[in-house]
Amino acid sequence: GENVGLHLPTLSVQEGDNSIINCAYSNSASDYFIWYKQESGKGPQFIIDIRSNMDKRQGQRVTVLLNKTVKHLSLQIAATQPGDSAVYFCAESLPNTGFQKLVFGTGTRLLVSP
Amino acid sequence: GAGVSQSPSNKVTEKGKDVELRCDPISGHTALYWYRQSLGQGLEFLIYFQGNSAPDKSGLPSDRFSAERTGGSVSTLTIQRTQQEDSAVYLCASSFTGTDPNFGPGTRLTVL
Repeated sequence: GENVGLHLPTLSVQEGDNSIINCAYSNSASDYFIWYKQESGKGPQFIIDIRSNMDKRQGQRVTVLLNKTVKHLSLQIAATQPGDSAVYFCAESLPNTGFQKLVFGTGTRLLVSP
Repeated sequence: GAGVSQSPSNKVTEKGKDVELRCDPISGHTALYWYRQSLGQGLEFLIYFQGNSAPDKSGLPSDRFSAERTGGSVSTLTIQRTQQEDSAVYLCASSFTGTDPNFGPGTRLTVL
């Protein structure tokens, strides 16, 4: 599907900058969190995940930080590239449900200028 | 194909008509999910199928919505007597049990 959300919060960065996308989740008992990337005309694509017993996890150019105290999740993208332009969603997994019923945030649009 | 496919990619219908949306999951995936993505909103869970277990229908917004999965493979989401508020992108995903869902490209439904 096309990107939705003409009124999505938008983060505009220059190529090569580091990007930080934030998300507030809803359920303090959620035990698993995922970041998804959705490009125009496509479905969401898994980027990185983190379990509630961790506060940081790193992937290739991406880092996810989890602050359970304030129910906050962030995605850091290093050396942002034009191909990173997309809508980014965080998702939380309700306790003991695994991937069965993810609760998604409303998304943030990342625009990367060359 | 290697990924989840959905058809049609776009569907325009008149209010009150019934529509069927199709999902072809990745071969061998035991779990299948339907989500809805409305303008300016995140994805909203609709229904989850896992193997031969009874589906989790807790996300279906009304009794006008139903879904089935035949033979543990293809799934159809049916919306009866469509309303304008049903307009959205309907996303299907599939996965092996306990792994993250692979999403299809979605079907954009427009109800006039």
